[in-house]
Amino acid sequence: EPEVTQTPSHQVTQMGQEVILRCVPISNHLYFYWYRQILGQKVEFLVSFYNNEISEKSEIFDDQFSVERPDGSNFTLKIRSTKLEDSAMYFCASSERWSSGRETDTQYFGPGTRLTVL
Amino acid sequence: AQTVTQSQPEMSVQEAETVTLSCTYDTSENNYYLFWYKQPPSRQMILVIRQEAYKQQNATENRFSVNFQKAAKSFSLKISDSQLGDTAMYFCACHAGGTSYGKLTFGQGTILTVHP
Repeated sequence: EPEVTQTPSHQVTQMGQEVILRCVPISNHLYFYWYRQILGQKVEFLVSFYNNEISEKSEIFDDQFSVERPDGSNFTLKIRSTKLEDSAMYFCASSERWSSGRETDTQYFGPGTRLTVL
Repeated sequence: AQTVTQSQPEMSVQEAETVTLSCTYDTSENNYYLFWYKQPPSRQMILVIRQEAYKQQNATENRFSVNFQKAAKSFSLKISDSQLGDTAMYFCACHAGGTSYGKLTFGQGTILTVHP
């Protein structure tokens, strides 16, 4: 069964450093998402992406964050200058169709990347 | 904006018994979708079941079923014949239509432990 993959599984970085988290969505999916989960807290939406554009972003997704689809298979989340509070599990998700109106499609999640900022 | 609340931080059940996890939500949208995701210790988020708000019939998936009470904005998950592999964190989530481009709003999660 197709699945979303993420690399690395665990990333340790120093405060102020740039990190890039990588995701390979399911191949026929066109809509991509990033979520994060700080330890012990709920999963929070960061951003949705379609057709090489951000469709929606949360207040968490400030200028330090960016997303990109550099090629036909990868979807990346970049944090330019990491802060201690960026330590969290980051989940990538993808869906085949747009989740709006009376049509929705399930978002399939990757296994996550645990980011630790020291 | 929508909110999702899971009031049970932890639940436990004996193997083969039935357990119900609670979830309430709030949204101003008429078209919305509700989901239960399972997150086992491996941390992978796995879809358990989903419900379209415009459908009156409660969704079922094998041993998993929901009790969707639209007026009360309640969406509980019932797990029948619980198995050890059901041990996980369970998240209730809501996607509202309209201008929300795919954003899922999650509850706080309920840790379910199935005991042998």
